[in-house]
Amino acid sequence: QKEVEQNSGPLSVPEGAIASLNCTYSDRGSQSFFWYRQYSGKSPELIMSIYSNGDKEDGRFTAQLNKASQYVSLLIRDSQPSDSATYLCAVNDRGGYNKLIFGAGTRLAVHP
Amino acid sequence: DGGITQSPKYLFRKEGQNVTLSCEQNLNHDAMYWYRQDPGQGLRLIYYSQIVNDFQKGDIAEGYSVSREKKESFPLTVTSAQKNPTAFYLCASSTALGGGSTDTQYFGPGTRLTVL
Repeated sequence: QKEVEQNSGPLSVPEGAIASLNCTYSDRGSQSFFWYRQYSGKSPELIMSIYSNGDKEDGRFTAQLNKASQYVSLLIRDSQPSDSATYLCAVNDRGGYNKLIFGAGTRLAVHP
Repeated sequence: DGGITQSPKYLFRKEGQNVTLSCEQNLNHDAMYWYRQDPGQGLRLIYYSQIVNDFQKGDIAEGYSVSREKKESFPLTVTSAQKNPTAFYLCASSTALGGGSTDTQYFGPGTRLTVL
């Protein structure tokens, strides 16, 4: 059973701090990795995709991928209260064409 | 505007009733997906389709049915055989990549189904 694991949280950080969200996955051969943000009652929206080992930065967000350790993370710099949401990690399922496996999500709370 | 639309936003179903959730996309994506999300849980795949007139079961297909007669449309029917259908239903679409990679899936706004 392929799995994507995330700490459910809540992860509580003060405004302006760095929030670090982590995700591990079980399929060593996975090639595509995604972070989605989901506000309460809303649908997920893409924050970042990453396909290669290393860091990928987009504004205040940095995704980090380490395929050897089967680990992907999302850093949010200068966290704002508007970043408070659930963050879903998704990894491609090599057993199914164009399928993703989603983690249960980490709830982030940024307090002023 | 390009995007994915789902209707209705809220849907109430009586016991023993079949209901159909609509999903339409104008992104010219080949692949479309249906997920179910229960409170505090991640997304579980119900059905997906890579091409018109073809679709595959996901992890929790029992009690659901789909069709893909047009590239733009992928309706989901929740049948009376689905014993616990109350959930948030999300439709997504993506381009269909090959070579072991998966492209980004974009989501519609969702339909919240409640059984009365």
